[in-house]
Amino acid sequence: GQQVMQIPQYQHVQEGEDFTTYCNSSTTLSNIQWYKQRPGGHPVFLIQLVKSGEVKKQKRLTFQFGEAKKNSSLHITATQTTDVGTYFCAGRVYGGSQGNLIFGKGTKLSVKP
Amino acid sequence: DGGITQSPKYLFRKEGQNVTLSCEQNLNHDAMYWYRQDPGQGLRLIYYSQIVNDFQKGDIAEGYSVSREKKESFPLTVTSAQKNPTAFYLCASSIRAGLAGYNEQFFGPGTRLTVL
Repeated sequence: GQQVMQIPQYQHVQEGEDFTTYCNSSTTLSNIQWYKQRPGGHPVFLIQLVKSGEVKKQKRLTFQFGEAKKNSSLHITATQTTDVGTYFCAGRVYGGSQGNLIFGKGTKLSVKP
Repeated sequence: DGGITQSPKYLFRKEGQNVTLSCEQNLNHDAMYWYRQDPGQGLRLIYYSQIVNDFQKGDIAEGYSVSREKKESFPLTVTSAQKNPTAFYLCASSIRAGLAGYNEQFFGPGTRLTVL
């Protein structure tokens, strides 16, 4: 079936270091969303990207959507302990089911103070 | 205070028993979803509903059933036919599901089901 691959699965960083997680799809996506799940919590929406080559920023977080709309990335500058959690991307395939967001398996970020 | 509630937070059942997980939202959202999350896995869609009295199967619907009799409520029944039911179940809603789903999903706190 259709898949959205996300790497790396785990990332351990020292506080202050940068962090990047990548999502790749074999098929073109109509849009991609990013969610953050804190340990023991539930996913919380961060942002949505729709346009080819789109770049959006939220403070220290930078989100990109590839030109071909098949890949996306989330970059965190100067990580803080509050960034700890699992980051998921979720994409919708063109022509796909209206309700079906395909989630990546997530990247679990740990930050050492 | 608007949001999505799921109850209970933890649920234990014996093998072979059906169990129903509750999901209620007061956000006036049209669309509601049920996901299953296993350790190290992403979220997998079980069922979704775009409107009252209508719902569609997701990727892993076998062994599950749902109903959508009210806009606010979307209960999930885990039946004895589900071979590996122990998991974290998340309910979500969005304003609507149409037009390629350009809507963020709001998640409830989840129910952790353990089948003994």
